[in-house]
Amino acid sequence: DVKVTQSSRYLVKRTGEKVFLECVQDMDHENMFWYRQDPGLGLRLIYFSYDVKMKEKGDIPEGYSVSREKKERFSLILESASTNQTSMYLCASSLTAGPPLEIDTQYFGPGTRLTVL
Amino acid sequence: AQTVTQSQPEMSVQEAETVTLSCTYDTSESDYYLFWYKQPPSRQMILVIRQEAYKQQNATENRFSVNFQKAAKSFSLKISDSQLGDAAMYFCAYRTLSVGTPLVFGKGTRLSVIA
Repeated sequence: DVKVTQSSRYLVKRTGEKVFLECVQDMDHENMFWYRQDPGLGLRLIYFSYDVKMKEKGDIPEGYSVSREKKERFSLILESASTNQTSMYLCASSLTAGPPLEIDTQYFGPGTRLTVL
Repeated sequence: AQTVTQSQPEMSVQEAETVTLSCTYDTSESDYYLFWYKQPPSRQMILVIRQEAYKQQNATENRFSVNFQKAAKSFSLKISDSQLGDAAMYFCAYRTLSVGTPLVFGKGTRLSVIA
């Protein structure tokens, strides 16, 4: 089974702090994604990466950056956390090449609920 | 840009009954993928069912089936014989055929199952 893990389930930070959210997958997936989930807004894409050291902006990249130094790890960075970044953050991964049913499926981590005070 | 619309923020169903969740989408592409994802209260998002737009046949997965109307750009999810464990947020999602592209999600429908 594919496993996507996120470093924390709950995180509380102060305004202005630098925040790192870590995501690790164990199935050698090429693609990794960071989404933000807010009530009434669904999931919105922040950044994604289709290879090591590659990154693409999603719909709401402002205030965030990412790092993908190793294939299995994709980090989301809040350079200076603000209260409007209080949210649930979901990481996902998917294959680029493989069985058709696998390459079409994104696997999600359990999420990190971040509160910025 | 592609958009996905789920017009029912909340729905409820009696245990053992059938419920249909609605989803419409907008795209100029002719081929694409559509998905329904389930997010139980534990928060782990899991895939329920997927549909390839180039396939005429509606996808089914045990008690879950879809009604895919390509011309109407409609993709509804039917849950038969509803169970308490079906209570969750359900998200409809779209993806282009290009491998590795992100999903575009609707805002979700919260389904409650009444015993």
